[in-house]
Amino acid sequence: DAGVTQSPTHLIKTRGQQVTLRCSPKSGHDTVSWYQQALGQGPQFIFQYYEEEERQRGNFPDRFSGHQFPNYSSELNVNALLLGDSALYLCASSSVSRALADTQYFGPGTRLTVL
Amino acid sequence: AQRVTQPEKLLSVFKGAPVELKCNYSYSGSPELFWYVQYSRQRLQLLLRHISRESIKGFTADLNKGETSFHLKKPFAQEEDSAMYYCALSGDNYGQNFVFGPGTRLSVLP
Repeated sequence: DAGVTQSPTHLIKTRGQQVTLRCSPKSGHDTVSWYQQALGQGPQFIFQYYEEEERQRGNFPDRFSGHQFPNYSSELNVNALLLGDSALYLCASSSVSRALADTQYFGPGTRLTVL
Repeated sequence: AQRVTQPEKLLSVFKGAPVELKCNYSYSGSPELFWYVQYSRQRLQLLLRHISRESIKGFTADLNKGETSFHLKKPFAQEEDSAMYYCALSGDNYGQNFVFGPGTRLSVLP
């Protein structure tokens, strides 16, 4: 099991563009959470997907949206990119119904740079 | 609101010395607390969680609800413990956010 995988590894975009990041959860997991980690800070919760629906959302604007597919993989979309969106985006997967408090397994992250 | 603070950005100790990484939280209910670790060039991984009451790699952490703290301790630091450590909190209600602290970089000197 490769664990949680994310693609791409690195991405460079310009302001105003849109970006899509992808995540495949660990085998057997059905819940995916996304985090933004700015340089020198801890991860900040963006949202969580379970059963193809957004289950919980952190304090992020609507420019941040997501999707979960029937195979449990997930996408994070960010529209109208700002310089401040430059960060490492982490995906974490978990299982069981009360997934938010369960052990989360993290992917390696996607480094997004907005110029 | 949920909040996790880690007052030290960097903690340097010598090999064999005791280590204590501080974590304080604010939450009105009964939280679940975690310590995550990130070694150089590796992904973030769970070190321990308070409900398990385990000792992992010699580390322990006790939840002190009176002081709202969850400090991470190890009696004798090893060089391989050098890493970034994050304290995290999850609320006891369905769908609560998972909140991370800013992290402490532990450097164990030879």
